[in-house]
Amino acid sequence: NAGVTQTPKFQVLKTGQSMTLQCAQDMNHEYMSWYRQDPGMGLRLIHYSVGAGITDQGEVPNGYNVSRSTTEDFPLRLLSAAPSQTSVYFCASSYGQGFRRPLHFGNGTRLTVT
Amino acid sequence: EDKVVQSPLSLVVHEGDTVTLNCSYEVTNFRSLLWYKQEKKAPTFLFMLTSSGIEKKSGRLSSILDKKELSSILNITATQTGDSAIYLCALSGGRDDKIIFGKGTRLHILP
Repeated sequence: NAGVTQTPKFQVLKTGQSMTLQCAQDMNHEYMSWYRQDPGMGLRLIHYSVGAGITDQGEVPNGYNVSRSTTEDFPLRLLSAAPSQTSVYFCASSYGQGFRRPLHFGNGTRLTVT
Repeated sequence: EDKVVQSPLSLVVHEGDTVTLNCSYEVTNFRSLLWYKQEKKAPTFLFMLTSSGIEKKSGRLSSILDKKELSSILNITATQTGDSAIYLCALSGGRDDKIIFGKGTRLHILP
């Protein structure tokens, strides 16, 4: 009963490096999304997807890319990491459209950019 | 622009007190309002509200939506130290029914 799986749990990058945060769900959820959480800022939506092949920008998309080639996977790519991207990243998914069911969250990835 | 505003941002009370957390919103095409509790890791789901005036309850927690006032409250009665957490309000709506969150209320319960 895996649910939403995020890897890695922790990552340290140097400024300018690139990396991909992985997110996979095994619940056949159509809706998937990425959030970042900074102290006192709640969860801010980076990108979301309403189905395979469809992605769109959220509130804070700059510096991040996503793709959705399968229903199960929704990777988040940092093209050139910056210290401002130091944060905790959560992937979340939901059955059908986002409003029909609550989001299921992964356990998060703590990213530090030096 | 769609937005969710929570108040207060921080609250400290004593065990046994009752607290009320507020969430107001602006959104085109409202679909649902959700409350989550976040302790150390990922947020956990509390309530989903879609209809105005209908209270959802779970033990000492309850929530109600007022679509006319574009707001919701989360009540916690007889608080316990285990209620200490960040409480997040989220909104589904807008284009594509995306889900956005407020900044959260950090609640601390003193023994």
